[in-house]
Amino acid sequence: SQTIHQWPATLVQPVGSPLSLECTVEGTSNPNLYWYRQAAGRGLQLLFYSVGIGQISSEVPQNLSASRPQDRQFILSSKKLLLSDSGFYLCAWKRGFGNTIYFGEGSWLTVV
Amino acid sequence: GENVEQHPSTLSVQEGDSAVIKCTYSDSASNYFPWYKQELGKRPQLIIDIRSNVGEKKDQRIAVTLNKTAKHFSLHITETQPEDSAVYFCAASPLGGYNKLIFGAGTRLAVHP
Repeated sequence: SQTIHQWPATLVQPVGSPLSLECTVEGTSNPNLYWYRQAAGRGLQLLFYSVGIGQISSEVPQNLSASRPQDRQFILSSKKLLLSDSGFYLCAWKRGFGNTIYFGEGSWLTVV
Repeated sequence: GENVEQHPSTLSVQEGDSAVIKCTYSDSASNYFPWYKQELGKRPQLIIDIRSNVGEKKDQRIAVTLNKTAKHFSLHITETQPEDSAVYFCAASPLGGYNKLIFGAGTRLAVHP
């Protein structure tokens, strides 16, 4: 069966510090991968998606970036965090020809 | 691009009552409409979905209806229970978008015993 792992689960970072969130999917190959952000009490905003290694599409301009160095690994990064970057970050995946998107357990980021 | 609006933002019902959440979408090319349930502090989980070639789908106490002409779809929960309390999100996926799910803002459902 397929599983998705995301870490760290929680982190508190000062403004201006870097960020790295990592996500891996097991039990499948060539998945579509996604990063979503959920601000407190808000909906899910798509940040990035990837259909293959090195292929990243950005949905909204921001100081975040994403990379896919391996088939089942997706990384969300920032060089300098802003207060507005606080939120619940969710990695997600789906099979290339499937419809259902499955979410990881999420990472709570608080920028102070 | 696709835009999904969801109503109401909050919904409070008594245990045993029915709950209905409605969503509208803007892109007539969207063909996949899932619903996710998110409990406090947890990941969203798929509870039911519908494709554009189907008007209605039911799974036990949960049903979803789709009106492609009007570009709206609804989630119906019957005989609500306290464990149904959560935030529910609708989403739409436009064609050729690699299933870039665009989500509504969510509905916080509270079921009171």
